[in-house]
Amino acid sequence: KNEVEQSPQNLTAQEGEFITINCSYSVGISALHWLQQHPGGGIVSLFMLSSGKKKHGRLIATINIQEKHSSLHITASHPRDSAVYICAETNFGNEKLTFGTGTRLTIIP
Amino acid sequence: NAGVTQTPKFQVLKTGQSMTLQCAQDMNHEYMSWYRQDPGMGLRLIHYSVGAGITDQGEVPNGYNVSRSTTEDFPLRLLSAAPSQTSVYFCASSYRGSSSYNSPLHFGNGTRLTVT
Repeated sequence: KNEVEQSPQNLTAQEGEFITINCSYSVGISALHWLQQHPGGGIVSLFMLSSGKKKHGRLIATINIQEKHSSLHITASHPRDSAVYICAETNFGNEKLTFGTGTRLTIIP
Repeated sequence: NAGVTQTPKFQVLKTGQSMTLQCAQDMNHEYMSWYRQDPGMGLRLIHYSVGAGITDQGEVPNGYNVSRSTTEDFPLRLLSAAPSQTSVYFCASSYRGSSSYNSPLHFGNGTRLTVT
């Protein structure tokens, strides 16, 4: 069974800071998902990637397949970025997602 | 499009009662799945389906049943509720499977279930 570990568990930063959240997994994967869970509980998909890098606005996701590691970066962080960020992995032919426990991000104005 | 619709939003059950959590999507997605989220444990997969008539177990299937008679609907049945099933439940769907490239997940708003 693949294990997915996220770090840090909690992160507090000042508005404007560059944020990095890390995700490591133990076996090879086909896809890595980054999700955002709002304080109200809703979950939205931010990225799905299998190699390289993706960018959407101030958010950047990268993955290193050889090192079994992915990072989520937020540039020019804002209080509205405060949320729990969750990574999840899945394999080809096995549609079972395994999730990390999440990183709680708090951005202080 | 309404996206993924989950009902009810809140539910309180007594031990031994049965109930069905509803999940419907209007995006013609092949893949649908159910998760539970417990404090400190993250999301865990209960059951999933890759198309109408096809279901499979996830990480924590015991005590839950599913069926997929149509593409749109994927109900989750609690057969005999137990306090250990107190949790927040999420339904999610995607166009293809969770491993298919460019097939992001769409989540419902969740159901908070309490079993007393």
